[in-house]
Parts: sequence; C-alpha cells; structure tokens
Amino acid sequence: NFMLTQPHSVSESPGKTVTISCTRSSGNIATNYVQWYQQRPGRAPTTVIYADNQRPSGVPDRFSGSIDSSSNSASLTISGLKTEDEADYYCQSYDISNHGVFGGGTKLTVL
Amino acid sequence: EVQLVESGGRLVQPGGSLRLSCAASGFTFSSSAMSWVRQAPGKGLEWVSTITGSGGSTDYADSVKGRFTISRDNSKNTLYLQMNSLTAEDTALYYCAKDLYEEILDPIFAQWGQGTLVTVSS
Repeated sequence: NFMLTQPHSVSESPGKTVTISCTRSSGNIATNYVQWYQQRPGRAPTTVIYADNQRPSGVPDRFSGSIDSSSNSASLTISGLKTEDEADYYCQSYDISNHGVFGGGTKLTVL
Repeated sequence: EVQLVESGGRLVQPGGSLRLSCAASGFTFSSSAMSWVRQAPGKGLEWVSTITGSGGSTDYADSVKGRFTISRDNSKNTLYLQMNSLTAEDTALYYCAKDLYEEILDPIFAQWGQGTLVTVSS
C-alpha cells in the first residue's frame, strides 16, 4: 500500500493563489485518479476535484487540480482566494486493490 | 438534486452491533456504486467500504473486514452498513457517499451525506 502526504497547514491572503500538495509515497501518482475534498468546519466533505483535474458542476473554476509524475505528487490550486475557501482539504486516491487512501488533510487559513 | 441522508448512529457498548442506513434520492440509485467513509473525532477521513450499483461486488478496509458488511436495497434506494464487534476505535462520524462509477469499485466520491455519529463506549 502507499501513503498520501499533505502539509498540515497553509495560509494565504484573500485574492491570492495557494497550492496544496499531495505526495504519493510509492507507486506512480498517475496510476490511479486523485480527488480533492473540501471540508468546512462542522460540515460534511464536498468534492472539488475528481479524476486528477475535473471539476464537478457548481465548483468555481478558481479550483484546479494537476498531477506531476516527476515529483510523484498531485496539487490543488485555488486562485482568487476568498474567506469562504477556509477549510480542510483532503486528497484521495486508491490502491491496486481498490482500497481508498486519504491524505492527512491540510488546513487552509485565509487571512 | 442528489440527497443522501444517513441514520442509525447512536451510543453502543464495545462488542455490540449497529446497522446504519443511507436513504438516497435525486439520482438513479442502482446506477451508482456507493461507499461509506468515516471520520473519528478531530481526525481525518478514512475509507470504510464500497459496493457496486448492482450490489454484486464489495470491498472493505482492512480495519473493518470481517466485522462490517455493506449492502444495498435498490428497490428502496437505501444503502446499509452492518457493524459487528464494535470497538472504541470505530467511534466516528460515518458518511455515505455516491461514487462516480456504477460497476467499478474504484472509490471516487462524487456526493456526500451529512453523516451519522457512532459512539462506542461503556
């Protein structure tokens, strides 16, 4: 199995751009799709990116996802930061046995 | 609009059993694989189990395999999670999630319910 490692926290100012990384410990990041979920305080998660870089309907195009095989990592980029973007963000993929694997989560502070 | 409403969570003693339900609406239930994901208090997300749209295939996290059983009733648009031999480590908010695919077990969660709280304590 593998692990997904995220920074514990990131912070940025409103209007700026922030990128959250998610590094896969073993195996190729491109082997299985990566998803990103947003969880605001006290709320259920919502999906902001699926299949590496696809946005569900209703998710603003300020949110984008990518993968980088050279660093074996995925990234979530949020541009034009708003205070409402303040939340925990989790990356997620799955292994060869179809078992879901989540990153530990990144707390985004918009200050 | 997709709606997923979980129920059945409560306080249960160690070693006890519990069945969670997830009532689905707003989409063709039998055309979506479904999953359970849990979150222990103050912790991150943990995938628990996935079932295909037909119910013909299932998969479980190692932490629950042999103790939990996922099932579905497509005539009632309802997903279930039977939880046996519960321990304190199973204490969590349990989310029902609609998967991206129908008959593929790759866990990709498209929509989420609000969760139901399971507390295992004496």
